[in-house]
Amino acid sequence: EAGVTQFPSHSVIEKGQTVTLRCDPISGHDNLYWYRRVMGKEIKFLLHFVKESKQDESGMPNNRFLAERTGGTYSTLKVQPAELEDSGVYFCASSPYPGTGEEKLFFGSGTQLSVL
Amino acid sequence: GESVGLHLPTLSVQEGDNSIINCAYSNSASDYFIWYKQESGKGPQFIIDIRSNMDKRQGQRVTVLLNKTVKHLSLQIAATQPGDSAVYFCAETFSGGYNKLIFGAGTRLAVHP
Repeated sequence: EAGVTQFPSHSVIEKGQTVTLRCDPISGHDNLYWYRRVMGKEIKFLLHFVKESKQDESGMPNNRFLAERTGGTYSTLKVQPAELEDSGVYFCASSPYPGTGEEKLFFGSGTQLSVL
Repeated sequence: GESVGLHLPTLSVQEGDNSIINCAYSNSASDYFIWYKQESGKGPQFIIDIRSNMDKRQGQRVTVLLNKTVKHLSLQIAATQPGDSAVYFCAETFSGGYNKLIFGAGTRLAVHP
């Protein structure tokens, strides 16, 4: 069974440009999450999809970030325009559980985003 | 805000020794805790979890201890191997927020031969 896959693995862009990250969750997992780790700090929650619906987007830093999950399969996270402080590793995770407890999130390898 | 923290940023151990990685949490409402292992170039990988109604849980070579009195969590790795070298994160969550894990900054475990 394929795990959570993320693309690209690395992205280097200039400040002001747009970048779109993609995540393919494990097949059949309704729950999809985005997390990020910036400046070597702790991994922080960004948002949670249940199928195609945004269940919780309280971690999204500002309106330069837009996440979508059309059709309830893969998800994209777009940053427009990118700023220097957006640099970090963006992780996607998926889970089959409904969120009632003992969530075992399966993480992708992440996208290393560098904004210059 | 409330978050999970770690006592030691780097832990160096000899191969074969036991390792103990510590974590402090501040949210007394947290009732579910998880340890993740992140190897270079990979995403966090689930190791072991524990609910707040337990004090100890054992897995294969790993044990998680939870002390709710002092809000402390630890991960014990028996007979540490080179393959255990990684960054270890503890994470917490609570009822109604299982989708939102709160991670610590991570502890790097370096295993020396």
